[in-house]
Amino acid sequence: EDQVTQSPEALRLQEGESSSLNCSYTVSGLRGLFWYRQDPGKGPEFLFTLYSAGEEKEKERLKATLTKKESFLHITAPKPEDSATYLCAVPMNYGGSQGNLIFGKGTKLSVKP
Amino acid sequence: DVKVTQSSRYLVKRTGEKVFLECVQDMDHENMFWYRQDPGLGLRLIYFSYDVKMKEKGDIPEGYSVSREKKERFSLILESASTNQTSMYLCASRTGSKGGPQHFGDGTRLSIL
Repeated sequence: EDQVTQSPEALRLQEGESSSLNCSYTVSGLRGLFWYRQDPGKGPEFLFTLYSAGEEKEKERLKATLTKKESFLHITAPKPEDSATYLCAVPMNYGGSQGNLIFGKGTKLSVKP
Repeated sequence: DVKVTQSSRYLVKRTGEKVFLECVQDMDHENMFWYRQDPGLGLRLIYFSYDVKMKEKGDIPEGYSVSREKKERFSLILESASTNQTSMYLCASRTGSKGGPQHFGDGTRLSIL
């Protein structure tokens, strides 16, 4: 069964303290992995797409990487405004729902000044 | 930029009422989706549509229906609202390419009293 697991569930950092969020997946024939940021009371905002192992994408203090079994979202020198829930998702590979996304439950990041 | 607009940010209704949630996207996307998001349960797919007048059940369709009369508009209908349908509802759209990311609206926080 296709599955996406994110860890940790919650992460508290001090401003400037770099860390990484993990997204592990079990899906055959990966056709993309997506990272989103979600602020409280708002919809998820698309950040990155990764398609193949070894690929990296960067945006400001965020860098996403992909291996054959997992993806990492590295946060370098975070600021309080980086506080949010980060979601990852992969497309399903079975039946008539091919292309629909399986979402992880997210990592809630809090960055304290 | 993709723009997905949900008609209401907050909505309060009473049990037994018929409730309509509207979603409009401006990118000519073929695919549209309705999710609900609850603490600890993550994003759950209610219904989706791959084209005008087409609809498919997601993981939790009971108590809901949808309408897609025009390509840009996807409506979620709660036939007879119940308190367990109090939730955050999110609409998303995506281009017809099955490998692409979904883009979300800002959500409707629905309370059923």
